Amino acid sequence: QKEVEQNSGPLSVPEGAIASLNCTYSDRGSQSFFWYRQYSGKSPELIMSIYSNGDKEDGRFTAQLNKASQYVSLLIRDSQPSDSATYLCAVNLGYGQNFVFGPGTRLSVLP
Amino acid sequence: GAGVSQSPSNKVTEKGKDVELRCDPISGHTALYWYRQSLGQGLEFLIYFQGNSAPDKSGLPSDRFSAERTGGSVSTLTIQRTQQEDSAVYLCASSLRVASSYEQYFGPGTRLTVT
Repeated sequence: QKEVEQNSGPLSVPEGAIASLNCTYSDRGSQSFFWYRQYSGKSPELIMSIYSNGDKEDGRFTAQLNKASQYVSLLIRDSQPSDSATYLCAVNLGYGQNFVFGPGTRLSVLP
Repeated sequence: GAGVSQSPSNKVTEKGKDVELRCDPISGHTALYWYRQSLGQGLEFLIYFQGNSAPDKSGLPSDRFSAERTGGSVSTLTIQRTQQEDSAVYLCASSLRVASSYEQYFGPGTRLTVT
């Protein structure tokens, strides 16, 4: 059974702080990792993808992958109230395979 | 370019009726996915099409659910004899491999309400 786990939250951080979202996965064969943001009533929006160990930065977002620990995280620097949403972690075994989603972490950025 | 589109955006149907939900993937995307999301819940995988390969139907919850993809593009998800527990948002996504990258992009979803 392929599983992706996330803390459901809510995770509350003050405006301007760093928000840290974590995700663990069970299948060691997982090849690619994605973070989606989902606002209430909207569909998921891709914000980051990461394929190799280490850090990947894009603006205020940094994804971190550690395949040995089966762990992927998303850091949001200078958090804004507009970042308040549910963040979904998704894992894929490789092209041609299905995506497995975690249950999501609800983030609340307090002004 | 145009993203994934889905129709209708909302569908209200009576219990026992059949419904068809449509998905137009991003042009050129070879992979297409259907998911279901009940209120306040995570994404539930339903079915996955990849090129001309046989679809992965492992997530379909019952034989009342079926999907097809015509010409490697548009897909239709059909739910027969709808039940109240089928009420959810049905999301479609598509992806394309570019080098080692194959991100998945979602459509806006169809909200299905079974009364």
